[in-house]
Amino acid sequence: KQEVTQIPAALSVPEGENLVLNCSFTDSAIYNLQWFRQDPGKGLTSLLLIQSSQREQTSGRLNASLDKSSGRSTLYIAASQPGDSATYLCAVNGSGRRALTFGSGTRLQVQP
Amino acid sequence: EPEVTQTPSHQVTQMGQEVILRCVPISNHLYFYWYRQILGQKVEFLVSFYNNEISEKSEIFDDQFSVERPDGSNFTLKIRSTKLEDSAMYFCASREDSSDFNEQFFGPGTRLTVL
Repeated sequence: KQEVTQIPAALSVPEGENLVLNCSFTDSAIYNLQWFRQDPGKGLTSLLLIQSSQREQTSGRLNASLDKSSGRSTLYIAASQPGDSATYLCAVNGSGRRALTFGSGTRLQVQP
Repeated sequence: EPEVTQTPSHQVTQMGQEVILRCVPISNHLYFYWYRQILGQKVEFLVSFYNNEISEKSEIFDDQFSVERPDGSNFTLKIRSTKLEDSAMYFCASREDSSDFNEQFFGPGTRLTVL
């Protein structure tokens, strides 16, 4: 059974810092991995999708990497802003269950 | 840009009542999902639906749940006799086709509160 773990659970940084969020998964047989943003009480905003054959994807200040063989992904946020404050979720689409398995998320607070 | 929509945004119901949560997937998408997120917990898969039948369901999706595509646009989740522990945010998602490499697009969610 696929398990997805995100570290750290919470993170507080001053504005302008570069930061890295970590995601690990137990079964490397995945089709793809998605990073989402979730504001309190709100829905899921898709940030980046990485296919299993890809190593990284970039969108603006966000860069996600994938090391499928070691079961790890990182989300790098450059020059963080207070508006980046949210919970960031990692989800993998695996070959066992044909649906997304989510991590618990990292709650990010960027201090102005 | 096409998007998944869900109604209502918030539903309050009494324990034991039936509720129907509605979703309109992206129009050319063929694969549909329901997920739920209990407050403070992970997003969990409930069920997937393809070609007018359930493709896969989780252990959470027991006999009190059912899904239907009553017409060409709506995709519904029915909870027959709600319990307090059904209180959660319910997300609908759709995917273009049966390829597992395609992205799932999520709706904004329906917050269900069972009193």
